[in-house]
Amino acid sequence: RKEVEQDPGPFNVPEGATVAFNCTYSNSASQSFFWYRQDCRKEPKLLMSVYSSGNEDGRFTAQLNRASQYISLLIRDSKLSDSATYLCVVNPNTGNQFYFGTGTSLTVIP
Amino acid sequence: GAGVSQSPRYKVAKRGQDVALRCDPISGHVSLFWYQQALGQGPEFLTYFQNEAQLDKSGLPSDRFFAERPEGSVSTLKIQRTQQEDSAVYLCASSLSARSLMNTEAFFGQGTRLTVV
Repeated sequence: RKEVEQDPGPFNVPEGATVAFNCTYSNSASQSFFWYRQDCRKEPKLLMSVYSSGNEDGRFTAQLNRASQYISLLIRDSKLSDSATYLCVVNPNTGNQFYFGTGTSLTVIP
Repeated sequence: GAGVSQSPRYKVAKRGQDVALRCDPISGHVSLFWYQQALGQGPEFLTYFQNEAQLDKSGLPSDRFFAERPEGSVSTLKIQRTQQEDSAVYLCASSLSARSLMNTEAFFGQGTRLTVV
């Protein structure tokens, strides 16, 4: 079983829509969680960390559910510029690796 | 420098050729990671350094892959006798020590796109 699993999509949504991605992780002892964004042929860049209590940054909301071992990302009022691949990342803190999901592809359509 | 720098950005190698990929991490970052990203996939872990020590190389796919970071800053990933399945983007990332800080993010370089023909 992979450490981190994501639905690869693609998600095609109209501008202004709300879209949510989920990601599950296998190591219950994992401590650090992130969402990264990767544009086509570019490097991954941090979108937001995910805190235990959930956190919001503008149109983006991240949630952590430890009991079910998943994290989520909610994007409200989608913009064309939100089109990218969103990578779920888990750092178990017991090791040295950042485990990545395969990424979820989002295309926002005019 | 301001960010993680990788070179070359693109490399075409003939099958069987050896290649060396360079990573300059953010100054002062203790941790350095190498990842391999195949087309349409997420980055897959290759190896991890804490300063000059290679603490984890469990992700290296074969003994043709070798990484070093002799002075705890610049790192080189070497692939010997390249094969077509080695074609991928090789990403380097650095971060403050993950062992001591919660929620430590990794900063990525733009990657080296390796094509083996």
